[in-house]
Formats: sequence, C-alpha cells, structure tokens
Amino acid sequence: DSGVTQTPKHLITATGQRVTLRCSPRSGDLSVYWYQQSLDQGLQFLIQYYNGEERAKGNILERFSAQQFPDLHSELNLSSLELGDSALYFCASSSAPGHNEQFFGPGTRLTVL
Amino acid sequence: GENVEQHPSTLSVQEGDSAVIKCTYSDSASNYFPWYKQELGKGPQLIIDIRSNVGEKKDQRIAVTLNKTAKHFSLHITETQPEDSAVYFCAAIRTGANNLFFGTGTRLTVIP
Repeated sequence: DSGVTQTPKHLITATGQRVTLRCSPRSGDLSVYWYQQSLDQGLQFLIQYYNGEERAKGNILERFSAQQFPDLHSELNLSSLELGDSALYFCASSSAPGHNEQFFGPGTRLTVL
Repeated sequence: GENVEQHPSTLSVQEGDSAVIKCTYSDSASNYFPWYKQELGKGPQLIIDIRSNVGEKKDQRIAVTLNKTAKHFSLHITETQPEDSAVYFCAAIRTGANNLFFGTGTRLTVIP
C-alpha cells in the first residue's frame, strides 16, 4: 500500500458527461501528479500540483482540469467525455517537486460508453 | 524533452531464471531512474531506483545498473518467481523537472 488513495475505483458513464476523480496524497506529501494510462499510450503525464498551485502541465486536454485543495487532496475533472477517454487514471504523490520519488495510487478505471 | 525507450515489450522466463529489461534515455541531464512494477488491476509500485552518481544498486533479487555514457539503464531480476509476473516500467527525470518520463513497459511472465 503506497498510502495514496483514489476514489472511485471504477466509473462508468456516457459520452458527453462530466466526472470527477479524487486523490488523497500520502501523509506529508505536498505534490500531486495525475497520469493517464491507456492500452496504446502507456503512462502519460497530465498535470502536477504542489501545495495548491499548478506546477506543470503535460498532455492534458482542454476538456480536463484539476485542482489541489488546502487539505492537499486533488480532483481531476473530465468533461464532454468521449469514448477515447476510457482509461486508467492514476494519481501519484511526492514530498516535494525536487524529490523525485513518486508513489502511485490504485487508480480509477473510467469507462465511457 | 526526455524520451525513454524500453525493451523488450514482452519477456517470458522459466521460474528460477534471470530476467533483464533495458531502457535508454535521451536527455543527458536526467539523473534519477526509477523502476515500477504494475500488477493486474493495481497502480505502479516503485521497486527500485538509482541516481546518476552510482552505477549499480541491489535490493535482494533485483538490481539496477546505469551506464551514463551510453545513456542506458537495466533492471535485473534473479531467481525469478511466479509472483514476479507483472508489467515493469522504467522512467527517467532530471533535477528540477516536474514529471517522470516513462518507458512503454515490459510484460514479464514467469513460467512455473
């Protein structure tokens, strides 16, 4: 158990809908990362937050957004969902951006029908 | 940006044999190289990492070697066991960067 928690574990929804994925980092970790894992793309970095502030953006679509709250949990919002958004979404945390060890949560499996 | 290539994409070994997975990276400034193991239905688990100031690191049956000149690093698993069956990912990052760059993964199957 990495100490990173994610909810829900599974999510099934329809095209055009909006969903929110939640992540709680390990105790004491200030940095949160979101990754998308689909069969043909491997692990793709989406976005990073550190202590409530956005630090870096990767291949995140404009339909996706995220935020980190004062209690350090983070939410990833996915809107206008398309079939191609079906994937595993992972959250990872680290103590600080300069500390490279990242610990992953169990993931949320999103299925868009 | 960094580009990490990983080989092979699939690997089958007999129980008790060794397994080796290789990765190459493009950014000579990368200085931290973790390896993750992902079992079915679970998130990637950090199993070993190495920094650029050392050439080899061991932890029981697993070891990682780094060749900075050639810009490649490898994961070695000895005395493989069925529970080693999983997908393994390598990654690379340099100091000051924000995200890990992952290889495409290797599916290791250990045959009992």
